[in-house]
Amino acid sequence: LAKTTQPISMDSYEGQEVNITCSHNNIATNDYITWYQQFPSQGPRFIIQGYKTKVTNEVASLFIPADRKSSTLSLPRVSLSDTAVYYCLVNTGFQKLVFGTGTRLLVSP
Amino acid sequence: SAVISQKPSRDICQRGTSLTIQCQVDSQVTMMFWYRQQPGQSLTLIATANQGSEATYESGFVIDKFPISRPNLTFSTLTVSNMSPEDSSIYLCSVEAGGQTNGYTFGSGTRLTVV
Repeated sequence: LAKTTQPISMDSYEGQEVNITCSHNNIATNDYITWYQQFPSQGPRFIIQGYKTKVTNEVASLFIPADRKSSTLSLPRVSLSDTAVYYCLVNTGFQKLVFGTGTRLLVSP
Repeated sequence: SAVISQKPSRDICQRGTSLTIQCQVDSQVTMMFWYRQQPGQSLTLIATANQGSEATYESGFVIDKFPISRPNLTFSTLTVSNMSPEDSSIYLCSVEAGGQTNGYTFGSGTRLTVV
């Protein structure tokens, strides 16, 4: 059973900021929150990972509130090439991953 | 981070036959994971393969249908046996990404169509 819940789909336009929120009410103390991106006909690609507060890299930002029961992936100024499925996962160290439904993001011109 | 070479990238197979999918990693890894992704669906873990031991299968997957080999720390194979059209899916392998994160690297997948 997936440990995360996220919207099935989202629509946006080029240049906008997109925020995808994920719920993980039963997150364990040792769990990290990780987001993956998957394009059609490709395997998932690691985007960002965090434990608490805010993490930023060259691709995205990840906001995690103090209770860690949710997280928000923020994609600044999306482009058409950001159209993909985004998966939020929680896991502890190197263990098997349980994928939820993911969020299908469609970016339009 | 680790780089995976997975092949074949796609295949069309006759029902009743078997297909072996290979994953080669450019570094030594302890665990390798095999996933199935049915059309339009999320990823489902088939099994975890550790070198030198039997693979651990998830509920709904059995060794007779999906035998796995893990002969060394950089290579693994998954065989889809006695295929039926219901086995048409994308099959992916995954390993620890390495580096500073607890993330994973995935192969590009094998798109299998059974006719």
